[in-house]
Amino acid sequence: GDSVTQMEGPVTLSEEAFLTINCTYTATGYPSLFWYVQYPGEGLQLLLKATKADDKGSNKGFEATYRKETTSFHLEKGSVQVSDSAVYFCALTSSGNTGKLIFGQGTTLQVKP
Amino acid sequence: KAGVTQTPRYLIKTRGQQVTLSCSPISGHRSVSWYQQTPGQGLQFLFEYFSETQRNKGNFPGRFSGRQFSNSRSEMNVSTLELGDSALYLCASSLVGTDRGDEQFFGPGTRLTVL
Repeated sequence: GDSVTQMEGPVTLSEEAFLTINCTYTATGYPSLFWYVQYPGEGLQLLLKATKADDKGSNKGFEATYRKETTSFHLEKGSVQVSDSAVYFCALTSSGNTGKLIFGQGTTLQVKP
Repeated sequence: KAGVTQTPRYLIKTRGQQVTLSCSPISGHRSVSWYQQTPGQGLQFLFEYFSETQRNKGNFPGRFSGRQFSNSRSEMNVSTLELGDSALYLCASSLVGTDRGDEQFFGPGTRLTVL
């Protein structure tokens, strides 16, 4: 079945460092890909998405490109802030199955001042 | 627009009891999905309702059930609670039928503790 694999955390960075969180997926057809973020004590917030190959999703300085050839959707940010500390989830929905998100295990990011 | 709301936010139950959780979607959203989040298993899909019909179901035992009302509000029920049902239960809604229909908006969750 469909699945998502994320790099294990926690990831600890200093403020203004470059961030990469790796995400690869297995899916039949053409899934939509997402990054969600969860702050402590809260639900998930959609960070960005991409719906077809070579699409780049971006929001709040974060970017991810849908790479079908490598089945990847890595999250990047050029300069992280302390306020970016959270858990990040990579997810997919299969085509024709948009009500069901399949999540990776999540990666905890801690940014130190 | 108000976001997705879930009630109650916290629940403590004992083994063998049953529990009902409620979710009110964003106004105009007719799809509601439920997820269970635990440290060990991560985020797992429970089921999705659209226009009062279950459209999708995850791999959970029959003790987990749900329903959706005509105003799109949804409830999930867990019967005969087990210790392993302790989790954060998240509800999400989406605006089906648009180019953003695949975006799910999450509520804050209900934290269920089973003693």
